[in-house]
Amino acid sequence: EVQLVESGGGLVKPGGSLRLSCGASGSTFSRYTMNWVRQAPGKGLEWVSSITTTSNYIWYADKVKGRFTISRDNDQSSLFLQMSNLSAEDTAVYYCASDGDTTVLSGVWGQGTTVTVSS
Amino acid sequence: DIQMTQSPSSLSASVGDRVTITCQASQDISDSLNWYQHRPGKAPRLLIYDTSNLQIGVSSRFSGGGSGTDFTFTISDLQPEDAAIYYCLQSDNLPYTFGQGTKLEI
Repeated sequence: EVQLVESGGGLVKPGGSLRLSCGASGSTFSRYTMNWVRQAPGKGLEWVSSITTTSNYIWYADKVKGRFTISRDNDQSSLFLQMSNLSAEDTAVYYCASDGDTTVLSGVWGQGTTVTVSS
Repeated sequence: DIQMTQSPSSLSASVGDRVTITCQASQDISDSLNWYQHRPGKAPRLLIYDTSNLQIGVSSRFSGGGSGTDFTFTISDLQPEDAAIYYCLQSDNLPYTFGQGTKLEI
């Protein structure tokens, strides 16, 4: 079964940058649109960004547009999220998740990586 | 953006009970609605997709219905392992939006 493992989270100061990675096991990574979803402490799930299979189409939530950049490397079965100009509101657990054979966000989810923005 | 209003925000029930959660969309989303279960420290788990389709491997105790703007999610014969937070998600329009979540205590 395909598994997704996020990495790159940590403590960063306001205004700083961080790059999250999501590695996929298995050979199906390139078949699916990939997504980032986050959960701030005590809050619900929030969609952040999506990227299609060949990176032709990319979408962002308004809150992160211009500050976050999603990318993928199908040869390495990896998804990335470059985050810049971070603020406390970006503190969250970040999940990578794949679309599936049926619909959006219907595939595999990772366990999440924690980003804390604090001075 | 499409707003998803989920209720209740929390509920408590007993083993063997049947519970229902609702989600209302701020505009017609056809049947583009998923339901997820989220346990602390775990990855969210898809239970129902496209309003009423049971994800492979998910117990038939979970079911969903509705269309347009009003949707329901039901768990029958509650089990202790059903304790979690449940979210609806609309995928009809970007940005995809989740409901606020329902915390279920058993």
